[in-house]
Amino acid sequence: NAGVTQTPKFRVLKTGQSMTLLCAQDMNHEYMYWYRQDPGMGLRLIHYSVGEGTTAKGEVPDGYNVSRLKKQNFLLGLESAAPSQTSVYFCASSPLPSGGVNNEQFFGPGTRLTVL
Amino acid sequence: GQSLEQPSEVTAVEGAIVQINCTYQTSGFYGLSWYQQHDGGAPTFLSYNALDGLEETGRFSSFLSRSDSYGYLLLQELQMKDSASYFCAADTGTASKLTFGTGTRLQVTL
Repeated sequence: NAGVTQTPKFRVLKTGQSMTLLCAQDMNHEYMYWYRQDPGMGLRLIHYSVGEGTTAKGEVPDGYNVSRLKKQNFLLGLESAAPSQTSVYFCASSPLPSGGVNNEQFFGPGTRLTVL
Repeated sequence: GQSLEQPSEVTAVEGAIVQINCTYQTSGFYGLSWYQQHDGGAPTFLSYNALDGLEETGRFSSFLSRSDSYGYLLLQELQMKDSASYFCAADTGTASKLTFGTGTRLQVTL
């Protein structure tokens, strides 16, 4: 199993350009998440999905859109990139809670995005 | 709002024990998780406490007190490879969403 994969690993954009980050998981997880992490900071939730065809806003959704057309994929789009979106983006997935005991999230390796 | 506070940095000697504290203030709380992140790497899950008390997993233990809105991660027999950032994260229940603290950078020295 590859777990959670993200493409691309690195990207440099100019202000105003658009791009899509792809996240894929092969663990048949229901829940998927997109986070951003800025230097010296914790992770902040951008958007999440509780299943195929569903998306919801997280803590910092402005400037981003997402889609989950297939259960295994979760796409994050930046329509018009801004320097404030320079960050490391992590995707994660999680199975449905089992008895409320463990809610482990499995993270991808991250995408390092720079917006000039 | 949601907030989790933890110390920004901790330094300890190899072989020692270190405790990383986390206090939280969240609306809706189901449990507290801990994640480890090495520089340039992805966060990896360490532990989850849904109930008050101590959970032990090898050299790592995690504690939760709901009445005090407080938890900690205890690392024993520190090794150089434990040098990393450690994040506490509150499970707010909906879709197992997590709200992360800003992280504690642990430096293990000889």
